[in-house]
Amino acid sequence: KQEVTQIPAALSVPEGENLVLNCSFTDSAIYNLQWFRQDPGKGLTSLLLIQSSQREQTSGRLNASLDKSSGRSTLYIAASQPGDSATYLCAVATGSQGNLIFGKGTKLSVKP
Amino acid sequence: DAGITQSPRHKVTETGTPVTLRCHQTENHRYMYWYRQDPGHGLRLIHYSYGVKDTDKGEVSDGYSVSRSKTEDFLLTLESATSSQTSVYFCAISESDREYFGPGTRLTVT
Repeated sequence: KQEVTQIPAALSVPEGENLVLNCSFTDSAIYNLQWFRQDPGKGLTSLLLIQSSQREQTSGRLNASLDKSSGRSTLYIAASQPGDSATYLCAVATGSQGNLIFGKGTKLSVKP
Repeated sequence: DAGITQSPRHKVTETGTPVTLRCHQTENHRYMYWYRQDPGHGLRLIHYSYGVKDTDKGEVSDGYSVSRSKTEDFLLTLESATSSQTSVYFCAISESDREYFGPGTRLTVT
């Protein structure tokens, strides 16, 4: 059974720092991996999608990498800002039908 | 936001009553999903649909049923609500393998 783990569960950094969020999964046979952001009391916002054949994706200050063989993905946030404060969720799809399996998230706090 | 709305946004109901949550999309997406989010468990898939009248179970489907009679609407029904079904329910659609989520429905079963 596929399991997704995110470490750390919470992270507090000063504004301006570069930071890395980690995601690991137990079964390397994934279809894709997605990173989401969730603000308190809100829905999920899609940040990045990495297909199983890809190694990384970039969007603005965000860069996500994927190492399928080791079952790991990282989300790199450059020059963090207080507005980046949110919970970041990693999820893997095991097939083309979607059906995401989520990690429990990393709660990020960026202090001014 | 991929044109996804959920109704109601908040609901309080009593144990044993039936409850139906609605997800509506405006962009003709084939795949639609229902997830629930709970502290300590994260998000888990309840049911999904891959077309009109085509649905299948997810990880936590017990106690839930779904229907999709039109492309734009995906309904989640709790036949007899229990306190363990108190949760936040999210609907999602898939577009080019990327999933987009609705704003959620907070359901409290007393």
